Amino acid sequence: GENVEQHPSTLSVQEGDSAVIKCTYSDSASNYFPWYKQELGKRPQLIIDIRSNVGEKKDQRIAVTLNKTAKHFSLHITETQPEDSAVYFCAAHRSGNTPLVFGKGTRLSVIA
Amino acid sequence: DVKVTQSSRYLVKRTGEKVFLECVQDMDHENMFWYRQDPGLGLRLIYFSYDVKMKEKGDIPEGYSVSREKKERFSLILESASTNQTSMYLCASTTYRVSNQPQHFGDGTRLSIL
Repeated sequence: GENVEQHPSTLSVQEGDSAVIKCTYSDSASNYFPWYKQELGKRPQLIIDIRSNVGEKKDQRIAVTLNKTAKHFSLHITETQPEDSAVYFCAAHRSGNTPLVFGKGTRLSVIA
Repeated sequence: DVKVTQSSRYLVKRTGEKVFLECVQDMDHENMFWYRQDPGLGLRLIYFSYDVKMKEKGDIPEGYSVSREKKERFSLILESASTNQTSMYLCASTTYRVSNQPQHFGDGTRLSIL
């Protein structure tokens, strides 16, 4: 089955710097890759997603890139702010009634 | 907007009790999921269901069962609660009628077994 590895497990950056979180997946049939942000005490919420027919997607300060050949995808946050501090999860999905497979999460701390 | 509602935010139960965690979604989603979340271990899938009365084991089903009698409701059951089941439990739902749709999560239930 699918396996998703996520790195790093913790990340600290200075406010205004960029943050990058990387994930690899094992199942070449996976074709949907969402990213979730979970603030302390709150539910995971979708922040951006990418489909396998697209190499990059941006939404303001957040971007995701996908390399299907290498089977890895990354989350990029530019101009980080303290409110970006949270746990971020990547996930992969193949079509049909199969669940998302999540990475173990990255705890991002943005230091003011 | 999708609403996934978990019946309790906090729950305290005793070892050996039968515990029910309830989840309701209002978007007519056919797929529903139960996860537990522990520090450093991420989101681990317990059970999921892709239709009424259907259930599939996830990665850590031992000690749990589920019930899906109605499409909007998915219940997680701890048959005989143990202290190692103290955790945060998250419910989620989605549809696969349209491809590549995200899962939507509830607020979670923090369960303590004493």
